[in-house]
Amino acid sequence: EIVLTQSPGTLSLSPGERATLSCRASQSVSSNYLAWFQQKPGQVPRLLIYGASSRATATPDRFSGSGSGTDYTLTITTLEPEDFAVYYCQYYGTSFPVTFGQGTRLEIK
Amino acid sequence: QLQLVESGGGLVKPGGSLRLSCAASGFTFSNFYMSWIRQAPGKGLEWVSSITSGDSVYYADSVKGRFTISRDNAKKSLYLQMDSLRAEDTAVYYCARGTHSLPAADWWGQGTLVTVSS
Repeated sequence: EIVLTQSPGTLSLSPGERATLSCRASQSVSSNYLAWFQQKPGQVPRLLIYGASSRATATPDRFSGSGSGTDYTLTITTLEPEDFAVYYCQYYGTSFPVTFGQGTRLEIK
Repeated sequence: QLQLVESGGGLVKPGGSLRLSCAASGFTFSNFYMSWIRQAPGKGLEWVSSITSGDSVYYADSVKGRFTISRDNAKKSLYLQMDSLRAEDTAVYYCARGTHSLPAADWWGQGTLVTVSS
């Protein structure tokens, strides 16, 4: 099973700042199978990034994904008020099980 | 317009059964992987099960032997039969669309709440 560990658990930043969220896999995974989701309170998770670096439809270009092997990063270049949420990474290859990281809470400082 | 609508959640006693449904529209349902993903109250996301377009099925260890995923392409519907339910199965259950070949989750339903309690 591929275990995904996200860090930090909570990130406190101000609007306008840059956010860097990390997702580390317990073993090397193909970047084709790494996604990032955003979830706001009371809402359904929304796909932001797939294939480690491809933005999903309607994902603003201030969001970018990068990484390979075991280390992946979600970067938000200039935080907007609506970006404060919980972010999850996901492995979705066909070496089941599909797994999620435990989440990073991005909160307003 | 792409849409996934879950139904069938509710309150059930430990050891009981429940069948969740997910009605799909706006895309060619038969061509896509479909999955169930759950989220316990205040917790993170947990993958439950996936089914391929060819009806191959996969389960998380936590539900294997108790849950059964299935699909009816003619009805554009996904199902999750949940038996021997436990308190730890309490969660919002989402259905999610994958790709033609991967258990991704590019579109989610609104979810249905399952509460297992005596």
